[in-house]
Amino acid sequence: NAGVTQTPKFRVLKTGQSMTLLCAQDMNHEYMYWYRQDPGMGLRLIHYSVGEGTTAKGEVPDGYNVSRLKKQNFLLGLESAAPSQTSVYFCASSYSMDRGPQHFGDGTRLSIL
Amino acid sequence: AQSVSQHNHHVILSEAASLELGCNYSYGGTVNLFWYVQYPGQHLQLLLKYFSGDPLVKGIKGFEAEFIKSKFSFNLRKPSVQWSDTAEYFCAVKKRNRDDKIIFGKGTRLHILP
Repeated sequence: NAGVTQTPKFRVLKTGQSMTLLCAQDMNHEYMYWYRQDPGMGLRLIHYSVGEGTTAKGEVPDGYNVSRLKKQNFLLGLESAAPSQTSVYFCASSYSMDRGPQHFGDGTRLSIL
Repeated sequence: AQSVSQHNHHVILSEAASLELGCNYSYGGTVNLFWYVQYPGQHLQLLLKYFSGDPLVKGIKGFEAEFIKSKFSFNLRKPSVQWSDTAEYFCAVKKRNRDDKIIFGKGTRLHILP
């Protein structure tokens, strides 16, 4: 009964470093999303996926890449981290795009120095 | 472009007070509407949603929201708040049956005084 699991929960990077955030869901949902949450900005969609092997850009995709090689996993990559990417990142999933993200992970707090 | 406005950025109430958080959206077509809640240090949870039918929607923990199409609004209400309702609340809108993504408002931070 895990739902959506994100790893890691916290990470500090130096500018220019790369890293990958992992999201795993066990509900057989087709749709998965990566959001970033910044104070006063709400949630902004970075990338999303409508099924295994597919990805699409959201509102703020620049500086990020994603992959969905397996239906249950959605990876978010930062190739060259920048201080502007300091944020809390949430993964979410749903079985329908129209019904919005239904289950969120606990978030990853990422600081870029 | 579609947008979602939450008028109150920060609301402070005493326990037992009534709550109404405003949400307006800009899209004129058919929409699905959502309220999410984020308790301190936690992830977002779906509070309630409206897809069709009765415009008065009841959610968890005594919350309800009313969809008023003519006003493009989906305000969240609770008759009597509790200290445990302290959280950030997000309204969200999705154009129905379109590839467009759900759009979130910027959130309203609610602080309940014991």
